[in-house]
Amino acid sequence: QKEVEQNSGPLSVPEGAIASLNCTYSDRGSQSFFWYRQYSGKSPELIMFIYSNGDKEDGRFTAQLNKASQYVSLLIRDSQPSDSATYLCAVRRFQGAQKLVFGQGTRLTINP
Amino acid sequence: GAVVSQHPSRVICKSGTSVKIECRSLDFQATTMFWYRQFPKQSLMLMATSNEGSKATYEQGVEKDKFLINHASLTLSTLTVTSAHPEDSSFYICSAPHGGGRAYEQYFGPGTRLTVT
Repeated sequence: QKEVEQNSGPLSVPEGAIASLNCTYSDRGSQSFFWYRQYSGKSPELIMFIYSNGDKEDGRFTAQLNKASQYVSLLIRDSQPSDSATYLCAVRRFQGAQKLVFGQGTRLTINP
Repeated sequence: GAVVSQHPSRVICKSGTSVKIECRSLDFQATTMFWYRQFPKQSLMLMATSNEGSKATYEQGVEKDKFLINHASLTLSTLTVTSAHPEDSSFYICSAPHGGGRAYEQYFGPGTRLTVT
């Protein structure tokens, strides 16, 4: 079992709809969770992070964390074609850890 | 967010030569930096952790004599690909953690695309 798992996609969503990206992790003690966006040919860009159970909103993005079920998700409201990218979920396993463990990424396509 | 730069952004070299890639944290100090490699349409692969003032820590399967890492200062880490071969052609990305505790974030440089001919 991989430490961080994501559906590789591709996930196709019509423009204006909500895109839902999911990620599960195996280490129950994991502390912090990050979502990165990576456009083709570019490096990853941090979208947001979450460490408490529940929802965290930032503009059109909402991260959701459920530690009991060991999953974290990212919702993108009012999806735009510019949101088409690969979304990487990353986990910081413990408080002092410097390293993040990345999932393989979900490729998202927003169709106009 | 914090800024991490890489140089060069693109490099083409001949097989058998060595290539050095620089990673700099521009507005913060980073005692630790990470080097990743990414092949087309594949996920990020962590190669090594660069530690200021001490040896780098390499991930399993990464040849430390081929991928030399030097963390010369609190803002600079370099990755040297020695005796490069076409199979080393890839996108090399560095990252640096910033902040601690619940303020921890990790920022990526823009990447270096290496082509070995």
